[in-house]
Amino acid sequence: AQSVTQLGSHVSVSEGALVLLRCNYSSSVPPYLFWYVQYPNQGLQLLLKYTSAATLVKGINGFEAEFKKSETSFHLTKPSAHMSDAAEYFCAVSSYSGNTPLVFGKGTRLSVIA
Amino acid sequence: IAGITQAPTSQILAAGRRMTLRCTQDMRHNAMYWYRQDLGLGLRLIHYSNTAGTTGKGEVPDGYSVSRANTDDFPLTLASAVPSQTSVYFCASSDSASGLSSYNEQFFGPGTRLTVL
Repeated sequence: AQSVTQLGSHVSVSEGALVLLRCNYSSSVPPYLFWYVQYPNQGLQLLLKYTSAATLVKGINGFEAEFKKSETSFHLTKPSAHMSDAAEYFCAVSSYSGNTPLVFGKGTRLSVIA
Repeated sequence: IAGITQAPTSQILAAGRRMTLRCTQDMRHNAMYWYRQDLGLGLRLIHYSNTAGTTGKGEVPDGYSVSRANTDDFPLTLASAVPSQTSVYFCASSDSASGLSSYNEQFFGPGTRLTVL
C-alpha cells in the first residue's frame, strides 16, 4: 500500500523567505509523485510532478521539488515566498500501474507574513 | 474552456434525504474519481471509475454510490444523507492514454460544499 506523510499541518514564513514543505512517501513500487496547490474556495491544481525522469522537478510559480529515493522524500521548495503563495499544499503518490487513484497527504497550510 | 464541472456549488440538506452530486468532464478522460475533503484529514477517495461501465471503492465508500454510464459523467449519490457526510466533495479525472508524461495526473473540479443537518 502507498502512503504519504506531510510534516507540519501549518507552515508560516515571511515574505521573501525560503519555503520548504516536507513530504515523505511509502511505496513498494516505483512511485509517481505530485504536488497540488489549493487556493481558498477552489479546487486543486497541479504544481509539479515526478514521473521517473529528472529527479529535480520544476513546477509553476517558481516551485520545485527533488525526488530522493534514499530518503523516500519529495520536498517542495521555493527560494522566495510571495504573499500569493498562501494556500494549502498537498503531496500525492501513485504507482506506475495504470489509472491507480492518487493517495494524498493530509495537506500543509502555508501562511506568508508580510 | 475544457475541464470539469460540478453541481451544485453548495447545498444544505436535511438528514435522511437523497442527494446526487453531479460531475461532468469534457476532456474525454477515461478515469474519474470522487474525493471528500475534511479539515485535518486531507482528501480521501470515495469511489473511482477507470473506464465507462466500471467502478471501484475507495477509502471511504460507505453511504455513497456511483455510476458511470458514459465517459463524461460520474454522479455521486448519497442515498440517505447523515451529518457526518458534511464535507467538500471534489470530482477529478485522469487519462492514462495521453502518454507517460501525464500518467495519473488528475484534474479537479471546483468542488461541492455539502452540509447535512
